[in-house]
Amino acid sequence: KNQVEQSPQSLIILEGKNCTLQCNYTVSPFSNLRWYKQDTGRGPVSLTIMTFSENTKSNGRYTATLDADTKQSSLHITASQLSDSASYICVVSATTGGFKTIFGAGTRLFVKA
Amino acid sequence: NAGVTQTPKFRILKIGQSMTLQCAQDMNHNYMYWYRQDPGMGLKLIYYSVGAGITDKGEVPNGYNVSRSTTEDFPLRLELAAPSQTSVYFCASSYPPGAPNSPLHFGNGTRLTVT
Repeated sequence: KNQVEQSPQSLIILEGKNCTLQCNYTVSPFSNLRWYKQDTGRGPVSLTIMTFSENTKSNGRYTATLDADTKQSSLHITASQLSDSASYICVVSATTGGFKTIFGAGTRLFVKA
Repeated sequence: NAGVTQTPKFRILKIGQSMTLQCAQDMNHNYMYWYRQDPGMGLKLIYYSVGAGITDKGEVPNGYNVSRSTTEDFPLRLELAAPSQTSVYFCASSYPPGAPNSPLHFGNGTRLTVT
C-alpha cells in the first residue's frame, strides 16, 4: 500500500535553533518527493523537489535529503525564524500509468521567541 | 499574479443543502485538482482534470461532482451536503506531473462546515 508517514507529528523549538523533520514512504514506483510548507489558513507552497538521483537539495535555510534505498527523506531547517512556524508536508509521486501523488499528514512546527 | 483563487473562504451548510466551490487559475495550467484536508490526515484527492472537458475521479469522489468547461475554471459541486463533508477544500493546478518543474499550486482553501 502506498503510504507516506511523517514524524514528529508536532515540534516546538526556540527561535534560532535547528530542527529536522522526517518522512518515510512506501510509494512505488518512485518518481519524486516534494516538501511543502503550509502556513495557517493558507494553501501548501512547494519548498523543494527531489528526484531518484538526488541526495541533497537546499532552498535557503531549508535542506532536504533523500535516501531512495531506505525510502526516507528529511527536511532540515537551519537557524529557525518565527515565520517558519507552519505545517511541513511530505508529498511523494509515483510513476504509474497516469500519476499518483500521496500526501503525508504533515509535521506542525512551532517556533517560539 | 493571482495564481489559484478559491471562493468562498468559509461556508456553513445545513444537511441536505447544495453548493458550488469555485476555483480559477490564471497560469494556463492544464491540470487541476480538488483535495480535501481533514485534521491529522494527508490531503485526499477528490477529482482532477487534465484539460478542458476532461475530468476523472480521485480517491474520495462520492458526494461530489465537477466540471471543466474552460482551462481556467474547475468548480466543485456538493449536491446533498452531509456532516462527513465538513472539511477544508483545496483547489490546485499544475503543469503535467512528469514535467521537470511542476509543483502543485494551491489556492487558500474553503473551510466548509455541515451541520
